[in-house]
Amino acid sequence: DVQMTQSPSSVSASVGDRVTITCRASQVINSWLAWYQQKPGRAPNLLIHAASTLQSGVPSRFSGSGSGTDFTLTISSLQPEDFATYYCQQANSFPRTFGGGTKVEIK
Amino acid sequence: EVQLVESGGGLIQPGGSLRLSCAASGFTVSSNYMSWVRQAPGKGLEWVSVIYGGGYTYYADSVKGRFTISRDNSQNTLYLQMNSLRAEDTAVYYCAREEVTPWVRYFGLWGRGTLVTVSS
Repeated sequence: DVQMTQSPSSVSASVGDRVTITCRASQVINSWLAWYQQKPGRAPNLLIHAASTLQSGVPSRFSGSGSGTDFTLTISSLQPEDFATYYCQQANSFPRTFGGGTKVEIK
Repeated sequence: EVQLVESGGGLIQPGGSLRLSCAASGFTVSSNYMSWVRQAPGKGLEWVSVIYGGGYTYYADSVKGRFTISRDNSQNTLYLQMNSLRAEDTAVYYCAREEVTPWVRYFGLWGRGTLVTVSS
């Protein structure tokens, strides 16, 4: 099974800050990597798929990069509505696996 | 409207069984990759199982042999039969549709989830 390691597990940041979250796969997953945002009591919401493709309707301050085993989610200028938990997920093989999550908190 | 609505969760004793349902509208379950994903209280997301194509299925090791995913094409509904339940199965269970093409693979549609609590 592919293990997904996300870091950091939490980050404190202010509105306007640039935030970077990393995700490492235990084996090559090509570009089959998606990023989700989840707010308390809600289902996850897709932000980015295929490592760097922004889902329709998602603000352009979100961006993704990487391929192979190392991936990054960047929020260029943090907005109040971005305080949430973020998950990476590999879609290269079954079982699908998620990273442990990164909670973005208000500083 | 395209949506997924889960039901069937509740409080169940360890060792018991429960069947979750996920009613789909606006698309055909049998033509899609349909998964169950769970989230224990305060924890991260854990993929549980998938059904797709002619009925191919995969399971996470943590539920293999205890859970069974299935679908009813006439009802356009996805199911998860959960047997031999354990305390560690306590979670919100989401059903999700995965978009799968030669170019994309992602969970693009989620239900609101149903809570399963395993406790005596």
